Amino acid sequence: GAVVSQHPSWVICKSGTSVKIECRSLDFQATTMFWYRQFPKQSLMLMATSNEGSKATYEQGVEKDKFLINHASLTLSTLTVTSAHPEDSSFYICSATGGGYGYTFGSGTRLTVV
Amino acid sequence: SQKIEQNSEALNIQEGKTATLTCNYTNYSPAYLQWYRQDPGRGPVFLLLIRENEKEKRKERLKVTFDTTLKQSLFHITASQPADSATYLCARSINYGQNFVFGPGTRLSVLP
Repeated sequence: GAVVSQHPSWVICKSGTSVKIECRSLDFQATTMFWYRQFPKQSLMLMATSNEGSKATYEQGVEKDKFLINHASLTLSTLTVTSAHPEDSSFYICSATGGGYGYTFGSGTRLTVV
Repeated sequence: SQKIEQNSEALNIQEGKTATLTCNYTNYSPAYLQWYRQDPGRGPVFLLLIRENEKEKRKERLKVTFDTTLKQSLFHITASQPADSATYLCARSINYGQNFVFGPGTRLSVLP
C-alpha cells in the first residue's frame, strides 16, 4: 500500500528561526502533494497544493513567503516555516496523491515555537 | 463557499452498538465524499470514498451513504469496539484531488 513518511514527528524551535518539514512518498510517485495545518480540536486546513517541478498554489490567507514549499521530485516535498513565531505552533500534515493510490497522509509534525 | 458540518463534536456509544456519524454540506453537491479516521497526534487515515452517483459503500464493518437530496452522508460502524475510538473526519472534493475541504470531525468514544 501507499506510505507517506513525514519527518520530523515533532520539533521545538526558538522564535525567529526556520524549520523544515519533509514529506516523502515511499512506494509511489506523488504527482501532487498537499500541506495542511491543524490547531487543537479543529479540522485540517489546507495551506497549499504543490505539483512536482512547479510552484505551489497557496490558499487564501497563507503567506507564501513565510511557508516555503519545494516539491523538487516526485517523492519529496518540503515545507519550511521561516522566521517562526509562537502563533505558528501547530500540527502540520502532508498528504500525497499519485499512482492510483488516492490520498495518503503523513503522520504529522507537531511544531512548537518558544 | 461550501461548508462541511459534522453533527456532533463528540459521540459516546456502548461497545457492540452501531455508531452513526453525520456529515452535512451546503450549496452544491460535491463529486466525492471521503471519510477518514484520525488518532491523537497522527495524520488522517483514509477509510472510504463515495461518489455523488453512489448511494452506499461498504467495507467490512463500515458503511457510508450519500444522500444528495438531504445533502448528507452517514458513516456507520457496526459492532463497534473500543479500538474504533478516534476522531472521524469527512471531506469533500469537487474533482478528485482538488478543492479538498474537511469537516471539523466527530470524536467517537466506544465504551466497554
